[in-house]
Amino acid sequence: QVQLVQSGAEVKKPGASVKVSCKASGYTFTGYYMHWVRQAPGQGLEWMGWINPNSGGTNYAQKFQGRVTMTRDTSISTAYMELSRLRSDDTAVYYCATSPIGPGGQLIPQFDYWGQGTLVTVSS
Amino acid sequence: EIVLTQSPGTLSLSPGERATLSCRASQSVSSSYLAWYQQKPGQAPRLLIYGASSRATGIPDRFSGSGSGTDFTLTISRLEPEDFAVYYCQQYGSSRIFTFGPGTKVDIK
Repeated sequence: QVQLVQSGAEVKKPGASVKVSCKASGYTFTGYYMHWVRQAPGQGLEWMGWINPNSGGTNYAQKFQGRVTMTRDTSISTAYMELSRLRSDDTAVYYCATSPIGPGGQLIPQFDYWGQGTLVTVSS
Repeated sequence: EIVLTQSPGTLSLSPGERATLSCRASQSVSSSYLAWYQQKPGQAPRLLIYGASSRATGIPDRFSGSGSGTDFTLTISRLEPEDFAVYYCQQYGSSRIFTFGPGTKVDIK
């Protein structure tokens, strides 16, 4: 069965960086886009961007441009999301989630599978 | 950027009742690009509906989606105890951006 297993909780100081991993199993890693979605405490869902594990191509939400980097290591079926210059309002649960790649390479825009979430706390 | 508005913010109902949740977009959304998710406390969201009206794998048929253009609806025909949760709509636009609505909480009356 499909599983996305994320790295553990992190506590960071303002200005630092955090790198969250998402290890995939149960499917062909390069057959699905990997997205990152975050959720601040008590708040809704916010999409951050995606990476195409096949090509390494990325697309980031404008809000995070310049601060977020999404990468992948296909040899171990793992995606990474690094967020830099952390602020207190970056405190959130960060999820990875997959969406299928269509026959023509197009993104099929639904999040089929989700990781368990990683809590990142930014505090001085 | 397309903004999604969900109503009501909270829906208080009893098990067995029908729930109707609304998602309105600030601009027309392709039906192919509208999805609904359920989220329970402490859990990741779960895909319920994609393409506005198609149920995801394993989703009971009491969940149904409808709508087009700017107005979409998620209906739960008869609420089961496990259906009390927060529901989010999500769209994907021509600018290659995903956005979520603010959510509707369905709680027990």
